[in-house]
Amino acid sequence: EAGVVQSPRYKIIEKKQPVAFWCNPISGHNTLYWYRQNLGQGPELLIRYENEEAVDDSQLPKDRFSAERLKGVDSTLKIQPAELGDSAVYLCASSLRAGSSYNEQFFGPGTRLTVL
Amino acid sequence: DQQVKQNSPSLSVQEGRISILNCDYTNSMFDYFLWYKKYPAEGPTFLISISSIKDKNEDGRFTVFLNKSAKHLSLHIVPSQPGDSAVYFCAARTGSGTYKYIFGTGTRLKVLA
Repeated sequence: EAGVVQSPRYKIIEKKQPVAFWCNPISGHNTLYWYRQNLGQGPELLIRYENEEAVDDSQLPKDRFSAERLKGVDSTLKIQPAELGDSAVYLCASSLRAGSSYNEQFFGPGTRLTVL
Repeated sequence: DQQVKQNSPSLSVQEGRISILNCDYTNSMFDYFLWYKKYPAEGPTFLISISSIKDKNEDGRFTVFLNKSAKHLSLHIVPSQPGDSAVYFCAARTGSGTYKYIFGTGTRLKVLA
């Protein structure tokens, strides 16, 4: 079975340019997460979807970041315009529906973004 | 504020010996604690979890201990193998329907052959 797929794997852009990341979760997983991981840090949640609904976007910088998960399957995270501080690895993860018992999160390989 | 802390950025252990990775937390409302392993250029992979109502969970060579009074958990790997060399992240989940995962900064484990 395919795992979480992310593309592109690497992206280098100049500041003020737009950039988009794509994620295809594991089939049947209702919950999709986008995380940002800065160098030397752990992943930090940006947004969580339950199907097509964004149920937690409190950490998403809404002035420049946007995300969508149309039809509750794959998802796109966009930054416009990018800033130097946005350089990081952007991770997508999915799990069965979040609930009282723990459901394992499966992470994709991430997209490494470099903003020059 | 850092709710989940891993104070040791790195750890070196001889092959066959025990590796002990530590994690401290501040939020008493976390309901699950997890350990993830991460190799370079890959996403984190789930290793083992423990519910806040337990104090120990074991899976093969991996055991996680939870000390709620001290707000401390640890991951024991016995025996350590060179393939265990990776960055290990401790994470905690907020309960009460929020289900947000807070990660520590990671500990780089190196198992020496």
